[in-house]
Amino acid sequence: SQTIHQWPATLVQPVGSPLSLECTVEGTSNPNLYWYRQAAGRGLQLLFYSVGIGQISSEVPQNLSASRPQDRQFILSSKKLLLSDSGFYLCAWTPPGVGGGETQYFGPGTRLLVL
Amino acid sequence: AQSVTQPDIHITVSEGASLELRCNYSYGATPYLFWYVQSPGQGLQLLLKYFSGDTLVQGIKGFEAEFKRSQSSFNLRKPSVHWSDAAEYFCAVVSSGTYKYIFGTGTRLKVLA
Repeated sequence: SQTIHQWPATLVQPVGSPLSLECTVEGTSNPNLYWYRQAAGRGLQLLFYSVGIGQISSEVPQNLSASRPQDRQFILSSKKLLLSDSGFYLCAWTPPGVGGGETQYFGPGTRLLVL
Repeated sequence: AQSVTQPDIHITVSEGASLELRCNYSYGATPYLFWYVQSPGQGLQLLLKYFSGDTLVQGIKGFEAEFKRSQSSFNLRKPSVHWSDAAEYFCAVVSSGTYKYIFGTGTRLKVLA
């Protein structure tokens, strides 16, 4: 069966510090991968998605970036965190395909607090 | 532009009462529709999804949803709510041939004993 992992679970970082959040998927190959941010009282904001190694699509211009160095690894990064980067970050995957409405499966999330 | 609207931010019901959570979408093509549930501090779990066919869809935990094309709605229902149903519920939509899933802002459900 497939599983999705995210770490760390919780992170407290000062403003201006770098960020690296990691997401890995097990039990499948060539998944489509997604990063979302969920701010308090708001819905899910799609940040990035990837349909293959090295292929990243950015949905929202900001100081965050994403990379996919391996097939089942998706990393969210920042060089300098802002207060507004605080939130709950969720990674998700779908089976490989041409966007046929597959179910998204979500990881447990990372709670980021920027002080 | 594609959008999903969940007009109710908070809903409170008594345990054993019926529940309906509203979802309206704006999409050019035939959409794929989803309902997810999120417990505090956790990821999202799929409740049910609609792709085509029968417009009444059954999901896990006793939930169902009905797709009404004429009203652009996909409302979630449960005949009898349990205290464990207290959570946040998200409606989502994606169009065929795309990778972008659009989520509503969520409805937080509180269940009174």
